[in-house]
Amino acid sequence: NAGVTQTPKFRILKIGQSMTLQCTQDMNHNYMYWYRQDPGMGLKLIYYSVGAGITDKGEVPNGYNVSRSTTEDFPLRLELAAPSQTSVYFCASSSGQGHQPQHFGDGTRLSIL
Amino acid sequence: DQQVKQNSPSLSVQEGRISILNCDYTNSMFDYFLWYKKYPAEGPTFLISISSIKDKNEDGRFTVFLNKSAKHLSLHIVPSQPGDSAVYFCAASVEGAGTASKLTFGTGTRLQVTL
Repeated sequence: NAGVTQTPKFRILKIGQSMTLQCTQDMNHNYMYWYRQDPGMGLKLIYYSVGAGITDKGEVPNGYNVSRSTTEDFPLRLELAAPSQTSVYFCASSSGQGHQPQHFGDGTRLSIL
Repeated sequence: DQQVKQNSPSLSVQEGRISILNCDYTNSMFDYFLWYKKYPAEGPTFLISISSIKDKNEDGRFTVFLNKSAKHLSLHIVPSQPGDSAVYFCAASVEGAGTASKLTFGTGTRLQVTL
């Protein structure tokens, strides 16, 4: 009963490096989301997807890219990492049927030094 | 502009008493509200929700109240238990058929239930 799985759990990057945060879900959910949570703040939506091949920007998309080639996977790509991207990143999924809540992974803690 | 506000960063309540967590919102387009609970090093987990057409929703020890005219909602936990100690996030969305629920989160309230 895995739900939403995020890897890695922790990562330290140098400024200017790039990396991909992985997210996979086994609930056959159509809708997937990426959020970031900065210290003392709420979660902010970065990107979301309503199905394979369909993605759209959220509130804070700058500096990130996403792709959705399968229902299960929704990777988040950071190009040219900057200190402002130091945050905890959460992936979530939902069925999109009516008022079904989003299910979250345990997050990736990313530090950029 | 913080559209969902949780003005109390922390709350301490004795075991067995009622915990009341508050949330205010500014966007009158929000029509669905949720509470999530978060333990350290884990992702948020869904707790309870309410549609804007209702003013109360109850699930066991948890009740959410919505006052649309005041743009205010609250989460009541009765009785509070030590396992309820966590950070609670209020979230809101504008629901639309066939579209993704883009949640707007508050900053969270850390609840500590003491013995």
